Amino acid sequence: DQQVKQNSPSLSVQEGRISILNCDYTNSMFDYFLWYKKYPAEGPTFLISISSIKDKNEDGRFTVFLNKSAKHLSLHIVPSQPGDSAVYFCAASEGISNFGNEKLTFGTGTRLTIIP
Amino acid sequence: EPEVTQTPSHQVTQMGQEVILRCVPISNHLYFYWYRQILGQKVEFLVSFYNNEISEKSEIFDDQFSVERPDGSNFTLKIRSTKLEDSAMYFCASIGRQENIQYFGAGTRLSVL
Repeated sequence: DQQVKQNSPSLSVQEGRISILNCDYTNSMFDYFLWYKKYPAEGPTFLISISSIKDKNEDGRFTVFLNKSAKHLSLHIVPSQPGDSAVYFCAASEGISNFGNEKLTFGTGTRLTIIP
Repeated sequence: EPEVTQTPSHQVTQMGQEVILRCVPISNHLYFYWYRQILGQKVEFLVSFYNNEISEKSEIFDDQFSVERPDGSNFTLKIRSTKLEDSAMYFCASIGRQENIQYFGAGTRLSVL
């Protein structure tokens, strides 16, 4: 049951260039999307998020784009830096319920390597 | 910066033993979660907890699992009789009221031998 898919298990990008990580989802009830970054032996660290009422959200070097009709989102990192090398997880939720915030459904992750 | 704290970082146990994984969520947060990640697989939801009761649980969270918030600060995950397939990283997460971002701890690596 892969409701959230990251089809690229790995990606290598030259330092200073743009990194583009992709994520697809199948559940049309998802209305909030997040990107997490994970280093080995650490927990997922929140990076950036987007609500389904938007199609773009930007925070410094990071921009997330959402295409609801295609059920696709992407994370752009520009310029890429060596410290960006990590595993990036896309996650989605069905929003806020009456009693609290919904569980996250994660993709399988993309290992990003920035080449100096 | 406030953070979610998990202990121990690594727990080794024999199959059939009980383990308790501990988490201290961010202090003003109200909603708590456990996730796990089996090596090489994705992070999977186990259970959510709010107002001293389970809000939702996955099919993974069977009768061998339980959660508790014993003292208003700790949030624990207990596995009554561990199996080999319980070996995984277990992550605790928490979130505040009217927020959408779950903050994760560094995880506990559980190794069942």
